Amino acid sequence: AQTVTQSQPEMSVQEAETVTLSCTYDTSESDYYLFWYKQPPSRQMILVIRQEAYKQQNATENRFSVNFQKAAKSFSLKISDSQLGDAAMYFCAYRIDFGGSQGNLIFGKGTKLSVKP
Amino acid sequence: KAGVTQTPRYLIKTRGQQVTLSCSPISGHRSVSWYQQTPGQGLQFLFEYFSETQRNKGNFPGRFSGRQFSNSRSEMNVSTLELGDSALYLCASSLGLRNRETQYFGPGTRLLVL
Repeated sequence: AQTVTQSQPEMSVQEAETVTLSCTYDTSESDYYLFWYKQPPSRQMILVIRQEAYKQQNATENRFSVNFQKAAKSFSLKISDSQLGDAAMYFCAYRIDFGGSQGNLIFGKGTKLSVKP
Repeated sequence: KAGVTQTPRYLIKTRGQQVTLSCSPISGHRSVSWYQQTPGQGLQFLFEYFSETQRNKGNFPGRFSGRQFSNSRSEMNVSTLELGDSALYLCASSLGLRNRETQYFGPGTRLLVL
């Protein structure tokens, strides 16, 4: 069974500093997608960044970037120049193609990120 | 373009009752997925619909069911509610079935079962 593990239940970062959230996953598939979603308190989940497993280049979206290590099955999220608005639960998620279905997202338990002013 | 909308946003029910939750996807999106979020189990996949057909189903009892209408709106139903069904129910939509497409989430329906 596919699993996603986020080993850091909580993390804290100083405003303007950089923080890295860890994620590992377990799969026997070779073609899949990885995502980081952000869920602010009492607000809806939004996509932060996504990575296709077949792409070697790490994805970046403004201050957010990933370190994708396919052999190690690791997918960490780096947030640069942290802002107060980055405070949220961050979920790492994985998805394969079941054929005839988009495939469901498999989520980690989440990492609660606090940003200190 | 309007995002995914879910109604109602909050619900309080008692054990044994049934409940229906509604999800309207982003305009043009034809795939709708449902997830249950609880503090203990985290986010778990319930089911996925495309073109009014259930394409994928998670490991939930038969009390949980869903459907999709021709306009892509989806409903999920939980019968004979149990205390453990208290959760945030999230709906996500995407354009279609191609797995490179991103799922966009709604704000969720928070269900409390007393």
